[in-house]
Amino acid sequence: DGGITQSPKYLFRKEGQNVTLSCEQNLNHDAMYWYRQDPGQGLRLIYYSQIVNDFQKGDIAEGYSVSREKKESFPLTVTSAQKNPTAFYLCASSIEGSSTGELFFGEGSRLTVL
Amino acid sequence: AQSVTQLGSHVSVSEGALVLLRCNYSSSVPPYLFWYVQYPNQGLQLLLKYTSAATLVKGINGFEAEFKKSETSFHLTKPSAHMSDAAEYFCAVSEGASKIIFGSGTRLSIRP
Repeated sequence: DGGITQSPKYLFRKEGQNVTLSCEQNLNHDAMYWYRQDPGQGLRLIYYSQIVNDFQKGDIAEGYSVSREKKESFPLTVTSAQKNPTAFYLCASSIEGSSTGELFFGEGSRLTVL
Repeated sequence: AQSVTQLGSHVSVSEGALVLLRCNYSSSVPPYLFWYVQYPNQGLQLLLKYTSAATLVKGINGFEAEFKKSETSFHLTKPSAHMSDAAEYFCAVSEGASKIIFGSGTRLSIRP
C-alpha cells in the first residue's frame, strides 16, 4: 500500500535536546511538507521541499531544520532553539506540479518536552 | 493574501440531524478549496475538493460542499449525521501545492 509513514508516533524529549522525526513516502511524490498542529490553531507550515536537495522555509521555520537527500525521505529535526516544541507534527506530500495542491498526510508524531 | 475562516470551533449535532460546517475564504485568484477530516491522533484525510469544475462537490462519507463565489463560502454539509462523523474538520484554500492555507478547524460532536 502506498502512503506516508511517520515515526515515532510518540516522543518525549528533555529540554535542550535535539530530536529528529522521520517521514518516509512511497507515493513517488516530488513535494513533501512538515506542518505543526496546536489546539485551535490549525496547521502551520514549517518547511517544504519540492525536489531532492532543495527545501524552503515555511511560516514557522525557526528552531527547526530539515534535509532532503532522497525523494522518499524528509526528516525534521526539532532543535533546542525551538522555544515551545510540544506539538503534533504532520508530514505530507503532493504531486509536484499539481495545480490543485491536494496533500496526502502521514499519521503524525506527537512530541512532548518534559 | 489568501485566508480561510471557519466559523465555530465546536459544533454539536444529534445523530441523524443535518451537519453544517462553515468556511469562508479570501483569495486574489480563483481558488482551489478543500475539506479535510482528522480523527483523534491521526493525520488529515481529504474529504472533497473544489477545482472549478462544478460548484457542488460531493465527497466521501456522504459529505458535500457548495462553492459560492458571491459569498466567498465553501460550507460543508451532510444530510444525516452518524456517530462515526465525530472528528475535526479543516477547510483549506490553495493557490498551488506550496501555498495551502488551513483554517483553525471545527470539532464536530455527535449526540446519541
